[in-house]
Amino acid sequence: QKEVEQNSGPLSVPEGAIASLNCTYSDRGSQSFFWYRQYSGKSPELIMSIYSNGDKEDGRFTAQLNKASQYVSLLIRDSQPSDSATYLCAVNIREYGNKLVFGAGTILRVKS
Amino acid sequence: KAGVTQTPRYLIKTRGQQVTLSCSPISGHRSVSWYQQTPGQGLQFLFEYFSETQRNKGNFPGRFSGRQFSNSRSEMNVSTLELGDSALYLCASSFGDSSYEQYFGPGTRLTVT
Repeated sequence: QKEVEQNSGPLSVPEGAIASLNCTYSDRGSQSFFWYRQYSGKSPELIMSIYSNGDKEDGRFTAQLNKASQYVSLLIRDSQPSDSATYLCAVNIREYGNKLVFGAGTILRVKS
Repeated sequence: KAGVTQTPRYLIKTRGQQVTLSCSPISGHRSVSWYQQTPGQGLQFLFEYFSETQRNKGNFPGRFSGRQFSNSRSEMNVSTLELGDSALYLCASSFGDSSYEQYFGPGTRLTVT
């Protein structure tokens, strides 16, 4: 099992819809969880961090964490074409010295 | 506040040569991590430096090395370049505390011919 798993997509949603991106991780002791957005040809940009179970909202973005299920998700409300990008989930993995491990990313396409 | 800067942005080298990449972290950040990103392998961790000491290391051969200076700036070196080293090399800086919140620089695109 990979340490951090994401569906590679592409996930296609119409403009204005809610995009739901999912990520599972293997280390039950992980404490820090992040979502990065990466546009083609650019570097990853941190958009959300979450450390406690539950929801965390920031503008149109909501991160959801369920440590019991080892699952973290990102919801993007009112999706815009400018949200089209690859979304990377990152988790700190203790057995690797607490370094961040990144998922392979989910490609999101928002159709206008 | 200025972001993470990396130099050079683009580099073309020949197989067998060596290369040094530079990263300047966000002011106040003491940790610098380096990653290699390729279309096939995704984002792979190379190493992390904190207060001039290597704190963590990924599964890369010894041809990949790094260091950090007292001002937190970091360099990574790749010796005896191979065609497979062609990639986007990213550095990310953080405070180095338990939050692990990292901010990436624009990257250096290395092409080995």
